[in-house]
Amino acid sequence: EDQVTQSPEALRLQEGESSSLNCSYTVSGLRGLFWYRQDPGKGPEFLFTLYSAGEEKEKERLKATLTKKESFLHITAPKPEDSATYLCAVQATNRDDKIIFGKGTRLHILP
Amino acid sequence: SAVISQKPSRDICQRGTSLTIQCQVDSQVTMMFWYRQQPGQSLTLIATANQGSEATYESGFVIDKFPISRPNLTFSTLTVSNMSPEDSSIYLCSGGVGTQYFGPGTRLLVL
Repeated sequence: EDQVTQSPEALRLQEGESSSLNCSYTVSGLRGLFWYRQDPGKGPEFLFTLYSAGEEKEKERLKATLTKKESFLHITAPKPEDSATYLCAVQATNRDDKIIFGKGTRLHILP
Repeated sequence: SAVISQKPSRDICQRGTSLTIQCQVDSQVTMMFWYRQQPGQSLTLIATANQGSEATYESGFVIDKFPISRPNLTFSTLTVSNMSPEDSSIYLCSGGVGTQYFGPGTRLLVL
């Protein structure tokens, strides 16, 4: 069964303190792995799509990496406005465009 | 990318009534998806809405409770029927080719 597990569930960092969020996955065949940011009361906002092991993508203070079993979202020198829930999701080759979400990591950056 | 809009943004409904949620995509997409997100939880897929065919429901969700329409490639509706307080949740739709983009959500409270 396809599965996505995110850790930690919650993370509190001081402003400027870099860290990484983990997303481990089990799928029969990976078509794509996605990272989203979700602010309270809003829909998920797309951040990155990764397709193959070794791929990396960056946007401002965020960098996403992918291996055959997991993905990391690295946050460098975060600011309070980076506080949000970060969701990881995978799309399997045998499930059309359907994606499976992890439970998310709630990130809180303290000023 | 795709821009998704939803109506209504929120509603308060009485037990036993029904609510229809609309989802509009700014470009043509083959598949649209409907999700439910309960407070503090991740997204749970309700069904896949294909244009020109019946929606495909995930385990635990049935057509009588959540009828879906997909009249064209840019629009879909989800009806939450015979509502109970347990249906109080955020309902989200998504669309896109490969990468899924999300609407802002409909926040539903059933009294």
